[in-house]
Amino acid sequence: IQLTQSPSFLSASVGDRVTITCRASQGVSSYLAWYQQKPGKAPKLLIYAASTLQSGVPSRFSGSGSETEFTLTISSLQPEDFATYYCQQLNTYPTFGQGTRLEIK
Amino acid sequence: QVQLVESGGGVVQPGGSLRLSCAASGFTFSNSGMHWVRQAPGKGLEWVAFIRYDGSYKHYADSVKDRFTVSRDNSKNTLYLQMNSLRAEDTAVYYCAKETWFGGYDAFDIWGQGTMVIVSS
Repeated sequence: IQLTQSPSFLSASVGDRVTITCRASQGVSSYLAWYQQKPGKAPKLLIYAASTLQSGVPSRFSGSGSETEFTLTISSLQPEDFATYYCQQLNTYPTFGQGTRLEIK
Repeated sequence: QVQLVESGGGVVQPGGSLRLSCAASGFTFSNSGMHWVRQAPGKGLEWVAFIRYDGSYKHYADSVKDRFTVSRDNSKNTLYLQMNSLRAEDTAVYYCAKETWFGGYDAFDIWGQGTMVIVSS
């Protein structure tokens, strides 16, 4: 199953609301997770089951969607949110989207 | 605390072999499915391999099948990745990751810091 994220690159300002989309080549139900990765660091789980926030993740992060279309929304960007975000499907053997790099405008 | 620590990376010639290790602590390793994920320089994440909690089932990405072998020693709380017939395109940071089931859904909730593998002559 292929995952396509859009956009691949996003420039935004602190306080902005941003949305990243992940489209699956076939339905994955709600077996979708989102990760944040900062340079030189391991990925960090943000959301699982498409919309459930991992413990300790700020509530400004939210996820939605099912089957083939999913979104990750950050309601009000904070300086520490500038990173690369990946979606991952776990309906079959795991695959990742190509990533969305979020940079400061 | 819950932790995964990889080791064993380095520089190896094309066609060579390397074994990576991932030491687990702070959780019941023998109850957890484990994965290897890699990231080539400047690229995205690629899932590599999975091993069931008891080692009874393994699965590999097509790109590494028949060259890489995942294994585990639950008595040592350690995961391994034996990499043979290495190619330049295997150059990457290799992460081990713990799978957790949240109700009926899984995700990779704990990751190691990664170990770099460079395949070059």
